[in-house]
Amino acid sequence: AQSVTQLDSQVPVFEEAPVELRCNYSSSVSVYLFWYVQYPNQGLQLLLKYLSGSTLVESINGFEAEFNKSQTSFHLRKPSVHISDTAEYFCAVSQPPYSGGGADGLTFGKGTHLIIQP
Amino acid sequence: NAGVTQTPKFQVLKTGQSMTLQCAQDMNHEYMSWYRQDPGMGLRLIHYSVGAGITDQGEVPNGYNVSRSTTEDFPLRLLSAAPSQTSVYFCASSSRTGLAGTGEQYFGPGTRLTVT
Repeated sequence: AQSVTQLDSQVPVFEEAPVELRCNYSSSVSVYLFWYVQYPNQGLQLLLKYLSGSTLVESINGFEAEFNKSQTSFHLRKPSVHISDTAEYFCAVSQPPYSGGGADGLTFGKGTHLIIQP
Repeated sequence: NAGVTQTPKFQVLKTGQSMTLQCAQDMNHEYMSWYRQDPGMGLRLIHYSVGAGITDQGEVPNGYNVSRSTTEDFPLRLLSAAPSQTSVYFCASSSRTGLAGTGEQYFGPGTRLTVT
């Protein structure tokens, strides 16, 4: 079984300030890691993912996340946030299909609401 | 390429009524799933399917039924709606094969259900 912990349910930050959203996971097998973003009244969109290779992954809108295997973390960072980044952010893990872990479904954290203050 | 579509977008039911939430995908994905999203709870897996004719229960299956007669469609049925089923429901799909078989899921826009 796998689980995801997002340590902060809400993170308020001023516009143009840096932000870090924390995510820790547990799993007995190798996992893939994802960050999804949900803007108000919308569905979930993939923000970035770690599958293998370089432990630092980036999104097109300035977010980055670093996979740290020893600390089982996948924290999301942005050096300067904009008001348009206001959203709910979900960290998720999955096991490779056919790995014997049961459902291929993503296991989600409970989400972090990023609140940008002008 | 429409991706994952869900209907309806909004629905109000009375306690005890039944209904079906529709989900369809046009990406030929083997895996489809239903989640419910509640404040402070994140997304919880209701049911999933790894291919036509195969379904299984997720974390919170009680009160819901699913079937998968085709690769494209994965409807979710509420047999006798209860106020506890008031939630936002998301359907998602993913590929299980090849380089695309990472578990990355594509989500529909959601159905907002209120049971009174």
